[in-house]
Amino acid sequence: KAGVTQTPRYLIKTRGQQVTLSCSPISGHRSVSWYQQTPGQGLQFLFEYFSETQRNKGNFPGRFSGRQFSNSRSEMNVSTLELGDSALYLCASSLQGQGAGNEQFFGPGTRLTVL
Amino acid sequence: DAKTTQPNSMESNEEEPVHLPCNHSTISGTDYIHWYRQLPSQGPEYVIHGLTSNVNNRMASLAIAEDRKSSTLILHRATLRDAAVYYCILLNSGYSTLTFGKGTMLLVSP
Repeated sequence: KAGVTQTPRYLIKTRGQQVTLSCSPISGHRSVSWYQQTPGQGLQFLFEYFSETQRNKGNFPGRFSGRQFSNSRSEMNVSTLELGDSALYLCASSLQGQGAGNEQFFGPGTRLTVL
Repeated sequence: DAKTTQPNSMESNEEEPVHLPCNHSTISGTDYIHWYRQLPSQGPEYVIHGLTSNVNNRMASLAIAEDRKSSTLILHRATLRDAAVYYCILLNSGYSTLTFGKGTMLLVSP
């Protein structure tokens, strides 16, 4: 069974631009969660989508948004990029979603650099 | 949310057992103890989880104290591939988000 895939793997943007990242979950998984990882803040939860609905959202500004399609693929969008948005963006998929006992399968991440 | 406390780093030699501690003194009766690890340049991966009883799987063992205020992840024979950051996370039986702390960086020497 193929794992979680994320595209692109690396991205360089400049301040003020916007970016869209893509995540394809494991086949059959209906939940996709997004995380931001930086050296200073560690791994921080952005949001979770389950069956095309946002189920939970972390403490990030509205510039960060996402969506999920009927095939469970998910996209994350960041508008008006800032230098501080440079990070590794990880997505995770699971069968039942976030919660105790529900294993999250992480992708390799997209490394975003904002210049 | 109940918090966990882990040492910043630990060292081990290859082929020796490793015991990674986690304190969670404010754990509630419905909190599950989860462990994930993140190898260098990879996304986190699930290791093991438990509620009250000790648990074993192909990767590791989880020993949970009788009062549940602490737990220990046991790697029976460390390999170089086990060098990673290990995260101990509490997840409530209701809806709860996987929230990562700073974890323990495990260094394994040949």
